[in-house]
Amino acid sequence: TQLLEQSPQFLSIQEGENLTVYCNSSSVFSSLQWYRQEPGEGPVLLVTVVTGGEVKKLKRLTFQFGDARKDSSLHITAAQPGDTGLYLCAGAPLNDYKLSFGAGTTVTVRA
Amino acid sequence: EAEVAQSPRYKITEKSQAVAFWCDPISGHATLYWYRQILGQGPELLVQFQDESVVDDSQLPKDRFSAERLKGVDSTLKIQPAELGDSAMYLCASSLPGGYYEQYFGPGTRLTVT
Repeated sequence: TQLLEQSPQFLSIQEGENLTVYCNSSSVFSSLQWYRQEPGEGPVLLVTVVTGGEVKKLKRLTFQFGDARKDSSLHITAAQPGDTGLYLCAGAPLNDYKLSFGAGTTVTVRA
Repeated sequence: EAEVAQSPRYKITEKSQAVAFWCDPISGHATLYWYRQILGQGPELLVQFQDESVVDDSQLPKDRFSAERLKGVDSTLKIQPAELGDSAMYLCASSLPGGYYEQYFGPGTRLTVT
């Protein structure tokens, strides 16, 4: 059983559409990170969310941390082909230093 | 911009052979991680170092895998003997100690065992 459950597993949309990726857990996290990984490359850190209810924006990407710090979402507005990749959430539960990754959401944006 | 270096980028080896991967973390990053990633899945932690000490190797198959970070800087991950099921991407990451576990990854080594 994954500590962090990501959904959907796959997402294929047309350029210009919006999309949302979810990361859920039954555990409370001190922080969560979101990464994007392109084929054949290592994951690249996008953002860290720390405070319950926090919303962070990175250009067309909006990240939200749930009030209870058990879940997070990533919303992309007007997706572009360059947004294609594997989106991973990661975090360590409170009082546990072990970092866990979700299984990821594969996003494909068609031109 | 500082980056995590890994080599080789690609490795093809026959089963039962030995293989080694090298990682040089970002300067000043005391924490170093080795992950294994199956295509389309999230990375799975194999071993975590704090300086030269192993913090967590609970998921490392110790009968065939070994990892070292002798001087607390660069690190080597070895597999001997390699098995077909070891084919995967091997990722190295580093981070500053403490903080919010923000990790910086290298480009990875794609291992194919034939």
